[in-house]
Order: sequence, then C-alpha cells, then structure tokens
Amino acid sequence: DQQVKQNSPSLSVQEGRISILNCDYTNSMFDYFLWYKKYPAEGPTFLISISSIKDKNEDGRFTVFLNKSAKHLSLHIVPSQPGDSAVYFCAASASFGQNFVFGPGTRLSVLP
Amino acid sequence: DAGVIQSPRHEVTEMGQEVTLRCKPISGHDYLFWYRQTMMRGLELLIYFNNNVPIDDSGMPEDRFSAKMPNASFSTLKIQPSEPRDSAVYFCASSPGIPNQPQHFGDGTRLSIL
Repeated sequence: DQQVKQNSPSLSVQEGRISILNCDYTNSMFDYFLWYKKYPAEGPTFLISISSIKDKNEDGRFTVFLNKSAKHLSLHIVPSQPGDSAVYFCAASASFGQNFVFGPGTRLSVLP
Repeated sequence: DAGVIQSPRHEVTEMGQEVTLRCKPISGHDYLFWYRQTMMRGLELLIYFNNNVPIDDSGMPEDRFSAKMPNASFSTLKIQPSEPRDSAVYFCASSPGIPNQPQHFGDGTRLSIL
C-alpha cells in the first residue's frame, strides 16, 4: 500500500528542455514534501521542499508545484542539464511527527 | 562539515554470518534513521532514533535485525543470522529534528549475502 507514488520509473529528456517529474500521494495528512536526487553509489541528497501552505517553491532551475486537491506534486527542471541525470525521489511527511515516506523514484536521463 | 559516515561501503558475506553496519551521524543532529533500498521495495524505513532512543522500529523486517545507538555519535544495524534476501543497500540518515527538516544521508553500505 504505497502512500507516495511515482508512476514513471524513468524519463528521458533532451538537454536544454524541461524535465517534469510527477508524484502522487494518498495520505491527506501529509503536509510537507521534499525531492531528493540520488547519483549511483551515493546517498540521496536533498533538492527542494514545499509546505502545504504553498503551491509553488522555486530554487534556481528547480521548481516544485503542489496541488493539494489532487494530491499531486511535480518537480520541474528548466533547463535540463546532463548533470541532472539521476534518480529523483519524492518524500512526504505529516507535521504531527511521522517520518518521511519515500516514493519509489524516477530515473531521469538528460541526453546531450 | 563531515556528512553522515557509514561503514563499510561494501560487505560480502555468506548466509548465516552476522553482519554489522555502522553509522556516524552529523554532529548535533538529534534524529538518526536506518533505511534499506531494494529494487522491489524502493527506499523503506527500518527504524529511527531520537536522542539515542528508538522511536519507531515497525519497519524492522524480522527479529534477525537489531539496531542500537549507544551514544549521539554512533549507531549500528546488526543482522544475525544473515540471509540472501537481506542483500540490499542500507542507508543511514540524520536530521536536526522532525517534522519539516530534510534528512541527510550517508553513501550507504552495499550488502551482499551469498
């Protein structure tokens, strides 16, 4: 019973174009969301977060959008660069103290 | 600043052997988490500690798994006896507090049980 879903196991994008990674969740108590990036043989590294009081958060080339009514969030990378090629994990938590629940990840390949 | 440090990076052993994975969290972080990553189940939380006290171990798969945190700078995850299905990458992470604070991950231990 996955509470956080990333339905696309992989995504390929041309360098310079936009990458859009999607994440859906089922638990309406989740109110804080993060995206992590993971390179091979390394641990996940924090990328960007969003609280449920917002619907958008931007940090450089990375923007996360949250649609609470649809229980959906997305990560936009513009423009995509070959160094962005990695596995991206979506994670969610509820503010009453639960830990983060991670999605299964989406492997992004940015082609030169 | 040093990040989360895990050892060993790789471990290969025969089934039935005891395996001990080690983790040093970031200094000052009150929370420590152990995760397991497999192709089938993705990244799953095994156990986490707050101020060295285990808070939630519901993710520990079986009694063969145990975790300790004897002090604020060290934790171990032990598997005894190990089985081939325990083969996975095990990650340790720490954070200053939850909720709403990102966790910082180590680079993981790749465990292979033959």
